Amino acid sequence: GESVGLHLPTLSVQEGDNSIINCAYSNSASDYFIWYKQESGKGPQFIIDIRSNMDKRQGQRVTVLLNKTVKHLSLQIAATQPGDSAVYFCAENMETDSWGKLQFGAGTQVVVTP
Amino acid sequence: DSGVTQTPKHLITATGQRVTLRCSPRSGDLSVYWYQQSLDQGLQFLIQYYNGEERAKGNILERFSAQQFPDLHSELNLSSLELGDSALYFCASSVLSTAGNTIYFGEGSWLTVV
Repeated sequence: GESVGLHLPTLSVQEGDNSIINCAYSNSASDYFIWYKQESGKGPQFIIDIRSNMDKRQGQRVTVLLNKTVKHLSLQIAATQPGDSAVYFCAENMETDSWGKLQFGAGTQVVVTP
Repeated sequence: DSGVTQTPKHLITATGQRVTLRCSPRSGDLSVYWYQQSLDQGLQFLIQYYNGEERAKGNILERFSAQQFPDLHSELNLSSLELGDSALYFCASSVLSTAGNTIYFGEGSWLTVV
């Protein structure tokens, strides 16, 4: 079946560097993509989202890029900080005529080293 | 703090038992979602309610049921529990159930079935 997946299970980043987390999706009909951050012992925390009619969206220190041609989504974190250490999930809204039935990827563990 | 409150935070129960997980959405949010997070399945959508009515269903087992009450809080009932039901159960909420409404997750209820 169609699914959202992540290429890298673990990403080690030096403090101050930029991080790039990748996500592949297979449902070409998906119209909304979301990135969540989950710290140990906590629930997923919304970071940023993007509609399928956009290629790029920026937030505070984060940028999401969407390439529909290759069905690829990425999250860029600028000047990575120790507090950015967490598991990052991409998610897609599975049904375009409804909202909230999200399909999550497996997650990428980001480890920020000093 | 997302504003979504879940109780209990931790629960240990025996196989065959029944438990109820409770969720209070963010103030003003009409839509409530339940997700299950396990090591082998990842984050999986279970069910969604909007203003008291069931709106969408995922791969929720027949042994599981949920409801949303007039005051908008929700309960997830898990019965005839099996070892494999051990997981982190998240409640999430959004203002509306239309695309783009940010979905906020609670801290989760950790269920251990022994």
